[in-house]
Amino acid sequence: KNEVEQSPQNLTAQEGEFITINCSYSVGISALHWLQQHPGGGIVSLFMLSSGKKKHGRLIATINIQEKHSSLHITASHPRDSAVYICAGPPGEKLTFGTGTRLTIIP
Amino acid sequence: DTAVSQTPKYLVTQMGNDKSIKCEQNLGHDTMYWYKQDSKKFLKIMFSYNNKELIINETVPNRFSPKSPDKAHLNLHINSLELGDSAVYFCASSPQGHGTGLTGELFFGEGSRLTVL
Repeated sequence: KNEVEQSPQNLTAQEGEFITINCSYSVGISALHWLQQHPGGGIVSLFMLSSGKKKHGRLIATINIQEKHSSLHITASHPRDSAVYICAGPPGEKLTFGTGTRLTIIP
Repeated sequence: DTAVSQTPKYLVTQMGNDKSIKCEQNLGHDTMYWYKQDSKKFLKIMFSYNNKELIINETVPNRFSPKSPDKAHLNLHINSLELGDSAVYFCASSPQGHGTGLTGELFFGEGSRLTVL
């Protein structure tokens, strides 16, 4: 069993819908990353957070360290948000990656 | 300017050959990484270097040997390539070094797709 689990694995939604992707982890971590992998394969770091909430444009990430859970929300989703979203957590320098959530936004 | 650059982007080779993938970052970061993404798109860390020093070697076969000539470069050499080595290899860097407890924001290269025939 992977130490970092994501749900759902696949998500298809209509343009404009509010999107939530969840990440749960079985070991204690001090911070968590959210990454976006484009259809072309490139990976971009969206957030690194250790507590509370962070917002960047239409993207919001929240984390609850005690409950070992993080969520990534996308408001007013757009087809260009279609990508694979990956959460990843340390301990220390070693990142353990979730299996990814493939998001498809239909116009 | 590309922050983390990898070469080559694509590499097709025969089983048994030796190949290298190069990575350079111009961000002044202390820590660099190699990750492998398999056919199921699952990412896994292979190596981590901090200021040219190996920090993480994550149960990778000895055929894989990282080399860090300076803290801006981390190259990956693979000997005696096998079919199972086919994957996309990502280099990344982060500002924080080993021992901080936090990796810091990650910056990824574009990936190098290795196909072993």
